[in-house]
Amino acid sequence: QQQVKQSPQSLIVQKGGISIINCAYENTAFDYFPWYQQFPGKGPALLIAIRPDVSEKKEGRFTISFNKSAKQFSLHIMDSQPGDSATYFCAAASGGSYIPTFGRGTSLIVHP
Amino acid sequence: NAGVMQNPRHLVRRRGQEARLRCSPMKGHSHVYWYRQLPEEGLKFMVYLQKENIIDESGMPKERFSAEFPKEGPSILRIQQVVRGDSAAYFCASSPEQGAGNTEAFFGQGTRLTVV
Repeated sequence: QQQVKQSPQSLIVQKGGISIINCAYENTAFDYFPWYQQFPGKGPALLIAIRPDVSEKKEGRFTISFNKSAKQFSLHIMDSQPGDSATYFCAAASGGSYIPTFGRGTSLIVHP
Repeated sequence: NAGVMQNPRHLVRRRGQEARLRCSPMKGHSHVYWYRQLPEEGLKFMVYLQKENIIDESGMPKERFSAEFPKEGPSILRIQQVVRGDSAAYFCASSPEQGAGNTEAFFGQGTRLTVV
């Protein structure tokens, strides 16, 4: 059973557009929701993270929206740039443990 | 401050051989996590170790796989008698402590294992 469901699997956006990636989770004990960015041949790097006590967190062009009642959260990339082309993973963790459960990833391509 | 160092970056093994993957955590980090990534899939947790202790190995296959993090030296993920299905990217991450949910763990660049 996949505990964190991520969609879409792939996404193509024009430069300057908005990229939106959605995730849903099952386990109500999750209390930490990070997003990771991974470039080909590299390890994942933490991009932005949110806790369920807030509904939105923004860092530069990246925003996480969180809906606790729906058990959903999403990543919005504003003014998408070709350099944003990468694979994005949502994740969820609980109970003070770092060990997150990852979604399957979204391959984002931003066309110039 | 060097990041998480994994070696080798690429490893080719024949079926039945042993694979040893090494991970040196960031300086000052005493917690290590191993993940496996299959093509077009997310990262699957395998094992969480502190120095000389395995804390959580719930994601490790019961056979052929083992991990250690000795008092001195890197963490080692060992795969015995490799099979083609073991071909994947293996990532190590480290953190200074088991986070209160907000302690970032830093990932290495991974070891890509190919079993031929």
